[in-house]
Amino acid sequence: EIVLTQSPGTLSLSPGERATLSCRASQSVSSSYLAWYQQKPGQAPRLLIYGASSRATGIPDRFSGSGSGTDFTLTISRLEPEDFAVYYCQQYGSSPLVLTFGGGTKVEIK
Amino acid sequence: EVQLVESGGGVVRPGGSLRLSCAASGFTFDDYGMSWVRQAPGKGLEWVSGINWNGGSTGYADSVKGRFTISRDNAKNSLYLQMNSLRAEDTALYHCARGGGLYYYYYYMDVWGKGTTVTVSS
Repeated sequence: EIVLTQSPGTLSLSPGERATLSCRASQSVSSSYLAWYQQKPGQAPRLLIYGASSRATGIPDRFSGSGSGTDFTLTISRLEPEDFAVYYCQQYGSSPLVLTFGGGTKVEIK
Repeated sequence: EVQLVESGGGVVRPGGSLRLSCAASGFTFDDYGMSWVRQAPGKGLEWVSGINWNGGSTGYADSVKGRFTISRDNAKNSLYLQMNSLRAEDTALYHCARGGGLYYYYYYMDVWGKGTTVTVSS
């Protein structure tokens, strides 16, 4: 089973700043089958990025994903007030077909 | 509107059973794999189980294998999770979620329900 480790646990930034979130896998994620989600308090998660770098429908272009193999990054180019939330990475398509999430990174207002 | 609505949560004693349901609408249900994902209070997301479009293939997290059973009824546009031998650590908000690609569950998840709460306590 692939284990995903997200860092940092908490990121304290101001609106307008750039956020860089890391997701590291315990073994290579096949075909860059990695997704990112945003979750706000009391809400269901929302898909942001799939295939490591493809934005989901309706996601602003300030969100971008990159990486391959075992190291992946979610970048928010300029933080808007609504971007302060918890972000999770998730891998899919591995064998034996078990999905796993990272532990999450909280982006909080500094 | 594409929508997933969970039901069936509640309070149950350790060792007890519960059956969760998820009603899907707004899309062709039997084109998609589906998953259950849970979130314990104050904790992160944990994938629980997934099922392919026709129920022919399923997967489980090690933490629930042998205790939980996922199933679906495509005629009723519904997904289910039968939970047996419940433990305190199963206490969580349970979301159903749609697989982002056709037919299989082992994808990203592009549509989520708001969840139903399961509390296991004596």
